[in-house]
Amino acid sequence: EPEVTQTPSHQVTQMGQEVILRCVPISNHLYFYWYRQILGQKVEFLVSFYNNEISEKSEIFDDQFSVERPDGSNFTLKIRSTKLEDSAMYFCASSDPGDRSKNIQYFGAGTRLSVL
Amino acid sequence: AQKVTQAQTEISVVEKEDVTLDCVYETRDTTYYLFWYKQPPSGELVFLIRRNSFDEQNEISGRYSWNFQKSTSSFNFTITASQVVDSAVYFCALSEAPNTGNQFYFGTGTSLTVIP
Repeated sequence: EPEVTQTPSHQVTQMGQEVILRCVPISNHLYFYWYRQILGQKVEFLVSFYNNEISEKSEIFDDQFSVERPDGSNFTLKIRSTKLEDSAMYFCASSDPGDRSKNIQYFGAGTRLSVL
Repeated sequence: AQKVTQAQTEISVVEKEDVTLDCVYETRDTTYYLFWYKQPPSGELVFLIRRNSFDEQNEISGRYSWNFQKSTSSFNFTITASQVVDSAVYFCALSEAPNTGNQFYFGTGTSLTVIP
């Protein structure tokens, strides 16, 4: 069964460093998303991406964040200068616009980011 | 204001008991989608069900059933004859748009522990 894959599963970084979280969405999906989940809290939307541009973003997604689809398979989230409060689980998701009645987002297993 | 409220933070049941997880949502849209996701201890988010706002028919899938009531803005999830493998955090989510590019609003989750 197709799945969303995320790498690495755990990323440790020093405050102020740049990190790139990687995702490979399901191959025929065209909408991509990033969410984050601070430990013990709810899952929060960061950004959605379609047709090589951001279609929606939340207040959390400030200038420190950027997304990119560098090739036909990867979808990345970059945090330019990490802060302690960026420590969280980051989930990538994708959905298939081919069946508009479904609107189901499939999530990866997440990348746990620890900022020290 | 919270768009999705899961008032039960933690629930513990003994194996084989039935358990209902509550979800109350808030939206002004007439077209919307509701979802349940399971987050086992391993951390990934597993899609369980999607329901659109025009379909109030209850659904049963094995030991799982869902009760959607627009009159009370609720979308409750019942596990019948619970098993230890059901232990997880369960999230209810809302999508307010009919297209596939919009964010999900997640509740804060209900942590279910099934005691053997």
